[in-house]
Amino acid sequence: GDSVTQMEGPVTLSEEAFLTINCTYTATGYPSLFWYVQYPGEGLQLLLKATKADDKGSNKGFEATYRKETTSFHLEKGSVQVSDSAVYFCAPGYGSSNTGKLIFGQGTTLQVKP
Amino acid sequence: DTGVSQDPRHKITKRGQNVTFRCDPISEHNRLYWYRQTLGQGPEFLTYFQNEAQLEKSRLLSDRFSAERPKGSFSTLEIQRTEQGDSAMYLCASSLQGGTAELFFGEGSRLTVL
Repeated sequence: GDSVTQMEGPVTLSEEAFLTINCTYTATGYPSLFWYVQYPGEGLQLLLKATKADDKGSNKGFEATYRKETTSFHLEKGSVQVSDSAVYFCAPGYGSSNTGKLIFGQGTTLQVKP
Repeated sequence: DTGVSQDPRHKITKRGQNVTFRCDPISEHNRLYWYRQTLGQGPEFLTYFQNEAQLEKSRLLSDRFSAERPKGSFSTLEIQRTEQGDSAMYLCASSLQGGTAELFFGEGSRLTVL
């Protein structure tokens, strides 16, 4: 079945450090790819997405590139801030031709220290 | 638009009791999803509605779980004869069919079974 593997956390970084959170997936078909973020005490919200191979999604300084050949969608940020501390979820999803549901990874907790 | 709302936000119940959660999606969204999230894990897909039709159910959804979406608007998720293993956060999400629509999540209903 479809599955997602994220790097295990917690990831602890100092402010202004470079961030990479790895994500690989196995999926039938050709999913869209999403990163969701869950800040402490809040609900899941979309961080960024990419819908086809080689697309780059970006938002709030975060980026991820859809790599079809390696089935990966790694999340990166050049300079993290304390406010980026949260849990990050990678999720392939299926659009209008299918159910549209997302399959989530287990999440990676990011802690940024001042 | 107030987003996806869920009620109640917290529910504590005794083992064997029935509980019901309600989800009000974003008004123009015709797709609605239920997920379950336990501590330290990513959300797990439970079931999916397109308008009033329940089109997919996960194997995770035992016979004690039932979901409805009358008239294709709000949805309810009922758990009968609750067990301690049902303790989790129950998340509702909605989306608009078409393209690669993102899922919009509510803040969840936390269930604690004593």
